[in-house]
Amino acid sequence: AQKVTQAQTEISVVEKEDVTLDCVYETRDTTYYLFWYKQPPSGELVFLIRRNSFDEQNEISGRYSWNFQKSTSSFNFTITASQVVDSAVYFCALSEANAAGNKLTFGGGTRVLVKP
Amino acid sequence: SQTIHQWPATLVQPVGSPLSLECTVEGTSNPNLYWYRQAAGRGLQLLFYSVGIGQISSEVPQNLSASRPQDRQFILSSKKLLLSDSGFYLCAWILSPWTGGYGYTFGSGTRLTVV
Repeated sequence: AQKVTQAQTEISVVEKEDVTLDCVYETRDTTYYLFWYKQPPSGELVFLIRRNSFDEQNEISGRYSWNFQKSTSSFNFTITASQVVDSAVYFCALSEANAAGNKLTFGGGTRVLVKP
Repeated sequence: SQTIHQWPATLVQPVGSPLSLECTVEGTSNPNLYWYRQAAGRGLQLLFYSVGIGQISSEVPQNLSASRPQDRQFILSSKKLLLSDSGFYLCAWILSPWTGGYGYTFGSGTRLTVV
C-alpha cells in the first residue's frame, strides 16, 4: 500500500530564511507520481509540482526547488528566501500508476509559518 | 477548459440531520472523481472515489456515502450527521485513463460544522 510521511508537523522561520520540507514515501509500484500542494489559510489546494518516478532531475521554479531521490524514497521541497505569503500548509502526495482508481495519498502536511 | 465546482462553501448542520454535498466537473468527460475530508489541523483522508457512473469505492467505513448519478456529478451524503463528521470536504478529479501527465484538480471545498 502506498504511504507518505511528512515528519515535520510545523516549521517556523523568519522571513528570508530558507526552509526545507521533508517527504518520504513508500510504494511497491515501479511507476508512480509525486506531488506537492500548498494549502493557504483559505483552504483550497494549490498544485505546485508533479514528478514521475522515472525523472529524478531536480527542479527549480523561482524560489521553489525540489529534490527527488529514489534511493532514499524522498521528495523534499525547499523554499528559498521565504516570504510571509509562503505561510501555509504544504502537502506531499503519491499516486501509483497501477493503483485502482489512481488514488492520491497525502502525507500529514507541514505547516510553515513565516514571520516578518 | 475544465473546471470543478463544489457547493456549498460553508455549512452548519445539527447532529442527526442529513447531508448532501455536490461536486460537478465541466469541460471533460469520464473523469475519475474523489472525495477527501480534512479534520481540523489534520491531513487529507480519501473517503470515496469513482471511476464511472454508479461506480463508488469506499476507502474508510463511516457515516457517509457517495453517489455518482451522472458522469460529471459526485455527491457526498449522510442520513444522520455526527459531530465527528465536521471538517473540510474537498472534491477532486483527473482524466481517465490517467497517464500521469498532470496533477489532480481540487474544488474549493466545503467547510462543514456539525453542532
